[in-house]
Amino acid sequence: GGIITQTPKFLIGQEGQKLTLKCQQNFNHDTMYWYRQDSGKGLRLIYYSITENDLQKGDLSEGYDASREKKSSFSLTVTSAQKNEMAVFLCASSRGGEQYFGPGTRLTVL
Amino acid sequence: QQQVRQSPQSLTVWEGETAILNCSYEDSTFNYFPWYQQFPGEGPALLISIRSVSDKKEDGRFTIFFNKREKKLSLHITDSQPGDSATYFCAARASSGSWQLIFGSGTQLTVMP
Repeated sequence: GGIITQTPKFLIGQEGQKLTLKCQQNFNHDTMYWYRQDSGKGLRLIYYSITENDLQKGDLSEGYDASREKKSSFSLTVTSAQKNEMAVFLCASSRGGEQYFGPGTRLTVL
Repeated sequence: QQQVRQSPQSLTVWEGETAILNCSYEDSTFNYFPWYQQFPGEGPALLISIRSVSDKKEDGRFTIFFNKREKKLSLHITDSQPGDSATYFCAARASSGSWQLIFGSGTQLTVMP
């Protein structure tokens, strides 16, 4: 078994601020993902990485940067937070088809 | 373009009833369909999955029925329990070489005691 840890759990930012979310996994999985979840909508893929130092854009990559510094960690940066933005950012990892998710970071922009 | 659609958006059943959650897709190359269960404040957790070579997958009280010709599948939860109250997401992935899961918008299930 393993676990995915996301920090912080809650993030409050100001409009225009650059914000960084972190994810760690101890499954030893090769592939990691960042999703955005808005209320009433499904999960939308922002970035994924199939190995260390690899980055692939998802459908929602505009306004975000990502970094895969090592196999176990994957960071996401909101380059300029949008006023009144509220969403949950979910990190996941996989080897093969099954994706395992972390508990999420809840972002609120004032 | 929404490639995976779920209905209903919300569903309420009584304890002991069978809940039926529906999912449809557009891309005929999709061949793997996981269902995820999400409780408030938590990330989604894989509940059950099916590959397109099968028409049925059962795991305890949870059963997926799959109709490849109609591009539809459904999740049946028999003997529903209040603890099953959660949001359920249907997802799909194309044939080998694709890393992406495409998620539906979810069905919020409430089981009344």
